[in-house]
Amino acid sequence: AQTVTQSQPEMSVQEAETVTLSCTYDTSESDYYLFWYKQPPSRQMILVIRQEAYKQQNATENRFSVNFQKAAKSFSLKISDSQLGDAAMYFCAYSLDSNYQLIWGAGTKLIIKP
Amino acid sequence: EAQVTQNPRYLITVTGKKLTVTCSQNMNHEYMSWYRQDPGLGLRQIYYSMNVEATDKGDVPEGYKVSRKEKRNFPLILESPSPNQTSLYFCASSLSGRRALGYNEQFFGPGTRLTVL
Repeated sequence: AQTVTQSQPEMSVQEAETVTLSCTYDTSESDYYLFWYKQPPSRQMILVIRQEAYKQQNATENRFSVNFQKAAKSFSLKISDSQLGDAAMYFCAYSLDSNYQLIWGAGTKLIIKP
Repeated sequence: EAQVTQNPRYLITVTGKKLTVTCSQNMNHEYMSWYRQDPGLGLRQIYYSMNVEATDKGDVPEGYKVSRKEKRNFPLILESPSPNQTSLYFCASSLSGRRALGYNEQFFGPGTRLTVL
């Protein structure tokens, strides 16, 4: 079965510091896409960053970057210079190139301490 | 404004009373999908649609129906709701159903909080 595991139900970080959220996944396929979504208290799902598995270069979006380790099936999210607005649930997800489903992790609640 | 809308945003109902949650997108997207979100489980896909008149089951389709008669609308129907369908529901859409889902960004609606008593 295809699964996504986020081993940290909750993380906290001091404002302006760096935090890393972990994600591992399980698939035997070689072509897929990986995502991090943010869900603030408003419940809106917001795409943070996307990685294509065939690309070795790690994706970055401003203060957000990933560490993609394909062999280890690991896809962690690093948030630099944490801001109060980063407080949210963060979900890791992936989608195979061969189908039309998105498989989600259980989420990590990120708390930002002022 | 490009968006996915869902109605209602909140609904409390009783067991067995049929209900429909509407979903509409104004971006001319081919692909649409329904998810439910439960604590500790993340999001699970209920049904998806590659285009008009093309729907398929996701991971948790039992107790749900969908239809796609128009490109912009993808309603979720609960014929006989039960308490285990109490959840937060999201509709999402993305540009093309012919490419892999991950190729195009999925846009999500604001969510519908459903409580079945």
